[in-house]
Amino acid sequence: EVQLVESGGGLVQPGRSLRVSCAVSGFTFDDYAMHWVRQAPGKGLEWVSGISWDSGRIDYAESVRGRFTISRDNANHSLYLQMSSLRVEDTALYYCARSTDYVLGYPLDSWGQGTLVTVSS
Amino acid sequence: ELVLTQSPGTLSLSPGERATLSCRASQSVSASYLAWYQHKPGQAPRLLIYGTSSRASGIPDRFSGSGSGTDFTLTISRLEPEDFAVYYCQQYGSSPTFGQGTKVEIK
Repeated sequence: EVQLVESGGGLVQPGRSLRVSCAVSGFTFDDYAMHWVRQAPGKGLEWVSGISWDSGRIDYAESVRGRFTISRDNANHSLYLQMSSLRVEDTALYYCARSTDYVLGYPLDSWGQGTLVTVSS
Repeated sequence: ELVLTQSPGTLSLSPGERATLSCRASQSVSASYLAWYQHKPGQAPRLLIYGTSSRASGIPDRFSGSGSGTDFTLTISRLEPEDFAVYYCQQYGSSPTFGQGTKVEIK
């Protein structure tokens, strides 16, 4: 069974940093590109970032470019999102999602349940 | 940035009725790069349709997608009770984006 389990969310002050993680199981992690998607309270889905199977291609939404860094550890079947210079508007449920292919440019067919990040003073 | 605009914002229908959801893009989208997702409260989003019209694994055939260029449609032929949810279109080419969602609610 494919499983994606996010962790690391919490309450953080504006301007501070936080790293969220996604542990996966049930599939060969390095066969797939991975993504982060977020949902602010009462809002829709927003794509945040994606990373190819070998970390050779990475892409970010304009809203987080320069502040967030996506990475992966294929040996430990984990995906990460390092978030810095956090803003109140970054408050959201952060989902980890698997692509249907090993490169970027494909849809997302498996999702975790999300980890909540709250940015507030 | 390629903007996707979904309409209507809310669709009020009864079980058994047909639902037609629209997704309009600010510029042409390759049909290969358009998907639809279903999202229920407290659950993970679910891929329904990819490549404009291909159903994802396990998706019932009452869900269908169509369109080209800047106009795309998700059709649910006969609504089942479990279909009441929020639906998002997504273009997954360069720098993916989602539409703002259409809520399908019970009338």
